[in-house]
Amino acid sequence: EPEVTQTPSHQVTQMGQEVILRCVPISNHLYFYWYRQILGQKVEFLVSFYNNEISEKSEIFDDQFSVERPDGSNFTLKIRSTKLEDSAMYFCAARDGRLNTEAFFGQGTRLTVV
Amino acid sequence: GESVGLHLPTLSVQEGDNSIINCAYSNSASDYFIWYKQESGKGPQFIIDIRSNMDKRQGQRVTVLLNKTVKHLSLQIAATQPGDSAVYFCAEGSSNDYKLSFGAGTTVTVRA
Repeated sequence: EPEVTQTPSHQVTQMGQEVILRCVPISNHLYFYWYRQILGQKVEFLVSFYNNEISEKSEIFDDQFSVERPDGSNFTLKIRSTKLEDSAMYFCAARDGRLNTEAFFGQGTRLTVV
Repeated sequence: GESVGLHLPTLSVQEGDNSIINCAYSNSASDYFIWYKQESGKGPQFIIDIRSNMDKRQGQRVTVLLNKTVKHLSLQIAATQPGDSAVYFCAEGSSNDYKLSFGAGTTVTVRA
């Protein structure tokens, strides 16, 4: 089965620090996503990325967040100045060139802001 | 055993019984629906999907039913096994949209 790889698996950071979460999507997939899941809650959409630009973003994805795909392989989520409430699991997902297909999720990065 | 998704987020079922997990979706424009399974410490894993031009789809031990009239989706698991214990999420999307929106999730616990 195709695999989306995320690093690190767990990141602990101090409030106010910048973090970068990394994802290696499935090759040949064209649509990329970041989702987050606060402990015990549902999976929430953050942002979608296609053709090297943001396609859609949620209200959660404010100016503190940014995404990029710098080298055509890694897909990153940056949080500029972390807050306690940013503590969550962050999942990267990828879909192939057809919109109506399943999204494959990575194993997630657990971000803990202290 | 049967749940009503958002209103009954946990479901306990005896091993070997059938499970029914329900989900009420919100967007009338959604035309694509997926059930995901999430085990502890892992990312969502695809189970089965259905498009809005269908009302039923079967997989291995799983069946998804779609009722567009009342915007309701259900997942039936036949002969539930201990490995089925997980949180189950429904997700909805549309042909005009890039994102999947997830429901709140139902925790299924299988009793031996």
